Amino acid sequence: GAVVSQHPSWVICKSGTSVKIECRSLDFQATTMFWYRQFPKQSLMLMATSNEGSKATYEQGVEKDKFLINHASLTLSTLTVTSAHPEDSSFYICSAREEREGWDEQFFGPGTRLTVL
Amino acid sequence: KNQVEQSPQSLIILEGKNCTLQCNYTVSPFSNLRWYKQDTGRGPVSLTIMTFSENTKSNGRYTATLDADTKQSSLHITASQLSDSASYICVVRPMDSSYKLIFGSGTRLLVRP
Repeated sequence: GAVVSQHPSWVICKSGTSVKIECRSLDFQATTMFWYRQFPKQSLMLMATSNEGSKATYEQGVEKDKFLINHASLTLSTLTVTSAHPEDSSFYICSAREEREGWDEQFFGPGTRLTVL
Repeated sequence: KNQVEQSPQSLIILEGKNCTLQCNYTVSPFSNLRWYKQDTGRGPVSLTIMTFSENTKSNGRYTATLDADTKQSSLHITASQLSDSASYICVVRPMDSSYKLIFGSGTRLLVRP
């Protein structure tokens, strides 16, 4: 199956700093990528839809100025958590949509554990 | 409202035993239903994908069933192994243009020796 990578796999930062997380589709092109957040013992919550070459679409309640998304190429989307606070500590997962004739599939990255001190 | 509900919330079984996880959904119409396995601290990995016209799909020791009339799906795990300990998430893809997925809350399975 298709492979999606995330970098870094974990990051610890100080409160008030910004953190960038990368999501790459390694062997396919993805016009659409998705960013999720997952808290302990909960399921994935969609934060935003990242579209290549256009602005991201954010879910209700997600601050677009705090979670900056850039989808500059067909294989790379980045999520920047600006002015991070301890409550932003979470597991961030991206997925990339692969489209083929008649079907499409989303492949998930391995996740990035963010801890804000 | 589109929802996906899973049961049980958690399950403990002995190694070698079988188990069945349940998923009820209200998403309609839907394009496909997926089961994912998520190990702790990792991203979800696809186990099976079924369209609305399929009744069953197998992947090794994992067998998923789908009843579109009752809007129910199940995931059966045969001869469980310790490595099956994980969360299993039922996900429904609505038949719309958003490509968004509707996630269940997952079933946390623990397989004990």
